[in-house]
Amino acid sequence: AQTVTQSQPEMSVQEAETVTLSCTYDTSESDYYLFWYKQPPSRQMILVIRQEAYKQQNATENRFSVNFQKAAKSFSLKISDSQLGDAAMYFCAYSCLRVNNNDMRFGAGTRLTVKP
Amino acid sequence: DVKVTQSSRYLVKRTGEKVFLECVQDMDHENMFWYRQDPGLGLRLIYFSYDVKMKEKGDIPEGYSVSREKKERFSLILESASTNQTSMYLCASSIPGQGYNSPLHFGNGTRLTVT
Repeated sequence: AQTVTQSQPEMSVQEAETVTLSCTYDTSESDYYLFWYKQPPSRQMILVIRQEAYKQQNATENRFSVNFQKAAKSFSLKISDSQLGDAAMYFCAYSCLRVNNNDMRFGAGTRLTVKP
Repeated sequence: DVKVTQSSRYLVKRTGEKVFLECVQDMDHENMFWYRQDPGLGLRLIYFSYDVKMKEKGDIPEGYSVSREKKERFSLILESASTNQTSMYLCASSIPGQGYNSPLHFGNGTRLTVT
């Protein structure tokens, strides 16, 4: 079974600083997608960034970037120039076609606090 | 933008009651999902549906059922609510045809308390 592990239940960062959230996953598949979702206090879960496993280049979306290490099965999220609006729960997720169409597995989440 | 609407933000029900959680999406998505979110456990898939009248069990279907009579609406049913079903329930949909690389679009969640 595919599992996703986020080992940091809580993290904090000073405004304008950089923070990295960790995620590891377990799979025997070679083709899959990885996602980071953000859930602010308003509860609306939104997609932050996604990475195709077959791509070696790390995905980047503005201040958000990932460090994808396929061999290590690691997928960390780096938030640069942290802003107060980045405070949220962050979920790492894995999706593989062979398991099921759009069967997405989530980690337990990391609560990020941004200090002014 | 895709809009996924969950009919209730908060619900309080009594043990043994039949509970309906409604979810509607406005973008003609074929895929719809119900997740349960609990602290320390992340999101766990209860049921999903790829088409009208079609449903498949997720990881934790026990105590739940679903209904998809129309493409835009996916209902989660607790046949006889129990206190261990107190949780946050999230509905999601995704773009058809893109399979496993398609991101999910979520509703705002329903926080259900069973007393």
